[in-house]
Amino acid sequence: DGGITQSPKYLFRKEGQNVTLSCEQNLNHDAMYWYRQDPGQGLRLIYYSQIVNDFQKGDIAEGYSVSREKKESFPLTVTSAQKNPTAFYLCASSIGGTANTEAFFGQGTRLTVV
Amino acid sequence: QKEVEQNSGPLSVPEGAIASLNCTYSDRGSQSFFWYRQYSGKSPELIMFIYSNGDKEDGRFTAQLNKASQYVSLLIRDSQPSDSATYLCAVTPLNTGFQKLVFGTGTRLLVSP
Repeated sequence: DGGITQSPKYLFRKEGQNVTLSCEQNLNHDAMYWYRQDPGQGLRLIYYSQIVNDFQKGDIAEGYSVSREKKESFPLTVTSAQKNPTAFYLCASSIGGTANTEAFFGQGTRLTVV
Repeated sequence: QKEVEQNSGPLSVPEGAIASLNCTYSDRGSQSFFWYRQYSGKSPELIMFIYSNGDKEDGRFTAQLNKASQYVSLLIRDSQPSDSATYLCAVTPLNTGFQKLVFGTGTRLLVSP
């Protein structure tokens, strides 16, 4: 089945630790996105990538890093520089290349700092 | 001014009524408009997209786009309790080269039996 897979579903991070959230898609989509959602809030864009080996900062990129070495994969690292990382993280993908393409989401990773 | 604005609600409607959800956007050159539904604790799922002025119908859902007024809406006919969720409006703005999908904060819909 085609889709977007995020793992893990739940993640706990200690203060000062870096953690990496996985996002894999088998939809042959060019574009991939990472969003953060806080309780009662909308989605805020962290990073996005339109093609392999290229990505751009979104609106809240500080304290995060990404890579796009393969078309299928777009992992997000939450670094210790991110002071308030507790949130629901959502990965999405779309065909890309044009504005008229809808994005589909993975099931999300809920990150909690302990 | 936010790029995409929605009333946070909650919007309460009785079962069987029409729910009307509204969204305004700031970038006049925005090209694509999407409505997502998000149940509590879950990821957003795409309901409809619209690219041209006018109405687009899909089952009980109708999306309406008015580019001159920078306004997009979603109508849900015969609302059901299972429609109770947060509805997110998303836009691809011209000022991002259409590469970003920008979301509003969502409108919470409550459908009472």
